[in-house]
Amino acid sequence: KQEVTQIPAALSVPEGENLVLNCSFTDSAIYNLQWFRQDPGKGLTSLLLIQSSQREQTSGRLNASLDKSSGRSTLYIAASQPGDSATYLCAVRAGSSNTGKLIFGQGTTLQVKP
Amino acid sequence: SQTIHQWPATLVQPVGSPLSLECTVEGTSNPNLYWYRQAAGRGLQLLFYSVGIGQISSEVPQNLSASRPQDRQFILSSKKLLLSDSGFYLCAWIYHMNTEAFFGQGTRLTVV
Repeated sequence: KQEVTQIPAALSVPEGENLVLNCSFTDSAIYNLQWFRQDPGKGLTSLLLIQSSQREQTSGRLNASLDKSSGRSTLYIAASQPGDSATYLCAVRAGSSNTGKLIFGQGTTLQVKP
Repeated sequence: SQTIHQWPATLVQPVGSPLSLECTVEGTSNPNLYWYRQAAGRGLQLLFYSVGIGQISSEVPQNLSASRPQDRQFILSSKKLLLSDSGFYLCAWIYHMNTEAFFGQGTRLTVV
């Protein structure tokens, strides 16, 4: 059974710092991995999608890497800003299923202090 | 462009009352549709998914049901709500296994 873990559960950093959020999964047979952002009381906003054949994806100040063999992904946020404060979720799409369902980690709640 | 709508945004319902949450996708056809629940302090749990009209699969035994009467409409229902049904309900869609999943803004359900 696929399990997704995110460490740390919470993180507080001063503005301007570069930071790394970690995601690990137990079954390397994934189709792809997606990172989301969730603001309090809101839905999920897609940040980056990495296919199983890819090593990384970049969007602006965000860079996500994927090491499928070791079951790890990281989300790197450069030059953090207070507006980056949110909960970040990673989710994997199982490769053995054609349903497209995502299995989520518990999330990392990020606070960027001005 | 594709959009996904969920309503209502918030709902307070008494125990034993019925429930109907609606999700509609625009700008695409034949999407896979999903209902997730996010309970306080817990991750997102997949409740139902649908790969086509009238095709519903349940992930966990529960007090809820889902229906897909039209290609881009997904409905979450209950005949009698329980306190444990409280949570944040999110609808999502994908077009293909290789594409991103997109989520609605969610419905905050409080059963009192």
